[in-house]
Amino acid sequence: DAGVIQSPRHEVTEMGQEVTLRCKPISGHDYLFWYRQTMMRGLELLIYFNNNVPIDDSGMPEDRFSAKMPNASFSTLKIQPSEPRDSAVYFCASSWTGMGNQPQHFGDGTRLSIL
Amino acid sequence: ELKVEQNPLFLSMQEGKNYTIYCNYSTTSDRLYWYRQDPGKSLESLFVLLSNGAVKQEGRLMASLDTKARLSTLHITAAVHDLSATYFCAVLDMRFGAGTRLTVKP
Repeated sequence: DAGVIQSPRHEVTEMGQEVTLRCKPISGHDYLFWYRQTMMRGLELLIYFNNNVPIDDSGMPEDRFSAKMPNASFSTLKIQPSEPRDSAVYFCASSWTGMGNQPQHFGDGTRLSIL
Repeated sequence: ELKVEQNPLFLSMQEGKNYTIYCNYSTTSDRLYWYRQDPGKSLESLFVLLSNGAVKQEGRLMASLDTKARLSTLHITAAVHDLSATYFCAVLDMRFGAGTRLTVKP
């Protein structure tokens, strides 16, 4: 049973470049979450989707960040243009609400470094 | 604004000792989640607490939920080195606390 799959695992790029992070949730899960984790700010919820529809994007830091979920099996988080302060580990997680309240399943994360 | 506060943020304890981590939250929630994160790794689910008075136990860890007090506890019994990790609580739409970094020393 495949878990949440994120790609790439590591990304190093220069300031100003566009960065796209990808996530494949667990099949059958109807919620998808994007988080950012840093030492200073901890684990921050950026945005989450239910049935491919964005529900709450209040955590998205600014207009440079955008997220899409074109279908139930794929989501992207894009940063354009990227800045050094965007360096963090970005996690994608998915969950299913079919039988009560289920926990989230997290991907392995994308470690992003902006030089 | 929903706030989820954990304390302590750092905990160093000896093997064999007991301790409790606290998670307070600022709004009504009938469910609470505990997760574990090892250094450089992802988060894994430990417990899902779904009602007031819920108590769950797994090995040396026991979690409880008091929705009236908006408080959850994670109790560690007879700690062992393998429990060293960061523990997070989360409520509602998955807002996380800052995490408690636990180090268990021999």
